[in-house]
Amino acid sequence: KNQVEQSPQSLIILEGKNCTLQCNYTVSPFSNLRWYKQDTGRGPVSLTIMTFSENTKSNGRYTATLDADTKQSSLHITASQLSDSASYICVVSLDYKLSFGAGTTVTVRA
Amino acid sequence: EPEVTQTPSHQVTQMGQEVILRCVPISNHLYFYWYRQILGQKVEFLVSFYNNEISEKSEIFDDQFSVERPDGSNFTLKIRSTKLEDSAMYFCASSSSDNYGYTFGSGTRLTVV
Repeated sequence: KNQVEQSPQSLIILEGKNCTLQCNYTVSPFSNLRWYKQDTGRGPVSLTIMTFSENTKSNGRYTATLDADTKQSSLHITASQLSDSASYICVVSLDYKLSFGAGTTVTVRA
Repeated sequence: EPEVTQTPSHQVTQMGQEVILRCVPISNHLYFYWYRQILGQKVEFLVSFYNNEISEKSEIFDDQFSVERPDGSNFTLKIRSTKLEDSAMYFCASSSSDNYGYTFGSGTRLTVV
């Protein structure tokens, strides 16, 4: 049973535009919710980490939100750059074990 | 910035052979993990390791898998008799506490032929 669902599966945006990625989860309770960026053939790199009591967390042009009541999170990318092309993965952790979503593949075009 | 280092970056092995994937976690981290990602699929948890023993393992981590911390710096994943379906990216990770500050390595791409 997949406990972390992401949408859309993929999206294409023009350089400089904004986009928002969605994550729904069923893992409850959880320790924290993370967003990772994964370039093709590379390991995941942490963007944001939020505990269940946090509503928003920013890291440069990346802003994550969390609604623990509806079990939803989003990742907003502002003023996209070509280097933002990657897979963005929502991850929910319970203690030391991470449950990964399938990711949203973002392609930024000039 | 401290890194988790994995070697080799790519390994090709014949079915039935044993392989050892190596990882050097961040030096002051206490928790160690292996994850794998089959091509086109999501990252899956394999095993966690703390205080020189396995703390949790998934159903994927069957008897053909084993982990070891042979010295103070290395953390290894051994697959005793590789199968075609073991072909995947294997990621090592470490953390300083049990639910925060995970750092992943760049992965080892294992190809079983």
